[in-house]
Amino acid sequence: DTGVSQDPRHKITKRGQNVTFRCDPISEHNRLYWYRQTLGQGPEFLTYFQNEAQLEKSRLLSDRFSAERPKGSFSTLEIQRTEQGDSAMYLCASSSQAFDRGREKLFFGSGTQLSVL
Amino acid sequence: AQSVTQLGSHVSVSEGALVLLRCNYSSSVPPYLFWYVQYPNQGLQLLLKYTTGATLVKGINGFEAEFKKSETSFHLTKPSAHMSDAAEYFCAVSGRTGANSKLTFGKGITLSVRP
Repeated sequence: DTGVSQDPRHKITKRGQNVTFRCDPISEHNRLYWYRQTLGQGPEFLTYFQNEAQLEKSRLLSDRFSAERPKGSFSTLEIQRTEQGDSAMYLCASSSQAFDRGREKLFFGSGTQLSVL
Repeated sequence: AQSVTQLGSHVSVSEGALVLLRCNYSSSVPPYLFWYVQYPNQGLQLLLKYTTGATLVKGINGFEAEFKKSETSFHLTKPSAHMSDAAEYFCAVSGRTGANSKLTFGKGITLSVRP
């Protein structure tokens, strides 16, 4: 178990630029989640994949945000035309279907800290 | 739909004192309940979870929480606070099946421990 990996750890960009983050879940996990956390707040759900299918998207995920999980393994989260309000920690988590039987937890990565100047 | 309410944003206790962090939830389906801790500049770490069975759940670092369905609560306690417990604590709720497996978090409570 190598854990959930996120890359990069930090990203500084100028307003209007596009950014892309990557998440590598634990290899046998078929579920993948993206969350956003701003200072002083709890993580907010953005989107959920089961294998390669994106099954749920939060209203927080505006048209500027897109997430993919092309082969059901790693995932990318892209933000187009970044705004200062996009500055946050973007967290990825993964789990297997054992979660449904109460036998597992969500495993979180360390996150990507985005700063939009 | 699920939601979590964590009353108060900051709790301060003396070292050795009881820690009580409150969490109330709302869920349209039978919930799973979680407490996570986040230390400065670190990721989320699971303290404990309730899924089924015994309603008093013991976690790491001496923490425990009790699921009270009638009160829709899942308060976190620790009998004696330690300086190393200073951190941000998040309560979270989820459903029990794939479509509802995403966690919904509260806003978090910052715990400070005074010497």
